[in-house]
Amino acid sequence: GAGVSQSPSNKVTEKGKDVELRCDPISGHTALYWYRQRLGQGLEFLIYFQGNSAPDKSGLPSDRFSAERTGESVSTLTIQRTQQEDSAVYLCASRQPGPPLFQITQYFGPGTRLTVL
Amino acid sequence: DQQVKQNSPSLSVQEGRISILNCDYTNSMFDYFLWYKKYPAEGPTFLISISSIKDKNEDGRFTVFLNKSAKHLSLHIVPSQPGDSAVYFCAASAVTSYDKVIFGPGTSLSVIP
Repeated sequence: GAGVSQSPSNKVTEKGKDVELRCDPISGHTALYWYRQRLGQGLEFLIYFQGNSAPDKSGLPSDRFSAERTGESVSTLTIQRTQQEDSAVYLCASRQPGPPLFQITQYFGPGTRLTVL
Repeated sequence: DQQVKQNSPSLSVQEGRISILNCDYTNSMFDYFLWYKKYPAEGPTFLISISSIKDKNEDGRFTVFLNKSAKHLSLHIVPSQPGDSAVYFCAASAVTSYDKVIFGPGTSLSVIP
């Protein structure tokens, strides 16, 4: 595809249930990021994958959050035992390898709006 | 501890006038700055960037100014158009960690026809 895609676009779940969010990055982009945007807030970094390196998980808010990436393609973000405070838009971004300028610009997907009732 | 701040949550400007969006940062290691634009139900898209070796970068109607001593940057949009109505995020990165980009909370711009 031409851009980063995410699915589902919307997800409503009950407190305590597990959810899985999917991200398909742009082909050839070795780096992939997950962010969270709560209502009225900025973009909160969650996790970063770069090639075969160990992911940077420093932004994950709790051990209920985990993410995986298959090679340099699809990534899934899993939230276990969802809580109401997990309600947010979850954004995925990818970027291409290269010199620093190319390393900086991230291309975002449309996001998944998660609502935990 | 917010390293990138956008103190105006919202801004309204008349069509044709100048829009000025401000951003302040606290980390003196930041040396590359970006502005992203976000429409509702879409992901942010890259708009313009500036390196710390410059104090101005221009791209069409969009100009970013950087004042390193004040740790302040601003995005100017001239002339403003209704299609510019969106949320604008300021972001910053450091040469020691280009992998990490820190985003501000965003400013919602409304351009009134």
